[in-house]
Amino acid sequence: ELVLTQSPGTLSLSPGERATLSCRASQSVTNNYLAWYQQKPGQAPRLLIYGASSRATGIPDRFSGSGSETDFTLTISRLEPEDFAVYYCQQYGSSPTWTFGQGTKVEIK
Amino acid sequence: QITLKESGPTLVKPTQTLTLTCSFSGFSVTTYGVGVGWIRQPPGKALEWLALIYWDDDKGYNPSLKSRLTISKDTSKNQVVLTLTNMDPVDTATYYCATAGLATPFDYWGQGTLVTVSS
Repeated sequence: ELVLTQSPGTLSLSPGERATLSCRASQSVTNNYLAWYQQKPGQAPRLLIYGASSRATGIPDRFSGSGSETDFTLTISRLEPEDFAVYYCQQYGSSPTWTFGQGTKVEIK
Repeated sequence: QITLKESGPTLVKPTQTLTLTCSFSGFSVTTYGVGVGWIRQPPGKALEWLALIYWDDDKGYNPSLKSRLTISKDTSKNQVVLTLTNMDPVDTATYYCATAGLATPFDYWGQGTLVTVSS
């Protein structure tokens, strides 16, 4: 079973700073089918990135995804106040068995 | 416009079976490549993928819960149903349904429904 490990668990940053979130897979993710989601308290997750690097519809270009095989990164170039949230990675390459990471919380420093 | 909404009991007793319904509009689960999945999130914890069903009735289950899960679809009603047997307090969570595809992750989500397991 493919396991996703996200780091760090919590990232404390100020608005305007750059955020770099990591997602590491225990085995290669097929076709780089790796997604990133943002979740705010009391809300359903929102898809940000799919296919490791493609932004979903309506997602600002300050969000970018990169990586391949087992190492993936979500970068937020300049944090806006609304970006403070929890971020999850998810693999959907081992269809139809999918997996989420444990999440990274981006909090205001 | 794609919308999904979860429905079912808010409180179940230990050992009971949970049945949740995802009612959706704006797409058809008979269309090639379309799938609907279930995800849950215990209070304050991470997301956990549960199950997924595709247009062709192919299904996938979380290996750690496979023996307790069943997913099915009713195309005439635009619904996907999830059952989870032998409920335990650790199954207390918000349960979400969401759309997916052969090459796309969960792009549209329901609002979620909180299910509490308690005697």
